Amino acid sequence: DVKVTQSSRYLVKRTGEKVFLECVQDMDHENMFWYRQDPGLGLRLIYFSYDVKMKEKGDIPEGYSVSREKKERFSLILESASTNQTSMYLCASRSDRATYNEQFFGPGTRLTVL
Amino acid sequence: AQSVTQPDIHITVSEGASLELRCNYSYGATPYLFWYVQSPGQGLQLLLKYFSGDTLVQGIKGFEAEFKRSQSSFNLRKPSVHWSDAAEYFCAVLVGNEKLTFGTGTRLTIIP
Repeated sequence: DVKVTQSSRYLVKRTGEKVFLECVQDMDHENMFWYRQDPGLGLRLIYFSYDVKMKEKGDIPEGYSVSREKKERFSLILESASTNQTSMYLCASRSDRATYNEQFFGPGTRLTVL
Repeated sequence: AQSVTQPDIHITVSEGASLELRCNYSYGATPYLFWYVQSPGQGLQLLLKYFSGDTLVQGIKGFEAEFKRSQSSFNLRKPSVHWSDAAEYFCAVLVGNEKLTFGTGTRLTIIP
C-alpha cells in the first residue's frame, strides 16, 4: 500500500514564525502536491512538484513556498505565518506510471496560527 | 475554466436508506472524474474514478457513480448506507493530467 505521511497532525504557531510542513511518500511517486482544506471551500492546490527540484504554482501559492530536494520528500514552507493561514494542510502523491492515476493523500496537518 | 459543483453542503440519511450525492462539472474536454471520501480526522481515500467506457462505475465500500455527459453530472450512489459511511465526500475533475480540481464537499450524517 502507498503510504503518505505528514510530520505533524496538529501544529500551533505564532504570527510571523517560519513554519515547515513535511511530507514523505514511500512509493517512488514522481508527483507530489500540497493542498489546503477550508470549510466551504474544499481543497485548493497550493503547489505541486513533478520531479526533484521542480515545482509549479497551484491556485493559491501566495504566502507559501516549497522544497523538493529528494524524490520522496516535499516540504511546504510558510515564511512568515499569518492567521489567515490557519487551515488543514494535505499532502498527496501520484505516480506517472499509469495514465490518470489517482492521488494518494496523507492524514493532514491541522495548523493554527495565533 | 474548469469547476466542480457539489450543491449539497450537508445531507442526513437514515441507516439502511439509499444515498445519492450530486456532482456537476464544467470542463471543455472529456472529463476524468473522481470521488474521494474523508473520514473524520483522516486524509482522502479514493472511492472510484471515471476515465472512459462504461458510464456506470463501481467503487469500493459498495459505492457507484454514473457519468452523464448530457447533464455534466457524476453523481455518487449507494443503495443502503451504513453508520460507517458518515464522512465528507469530494468530487474532483482531473485537469491536464496533472491537477485535480475539487468540489467544496458534501458532509454526510447517518442517523440510526
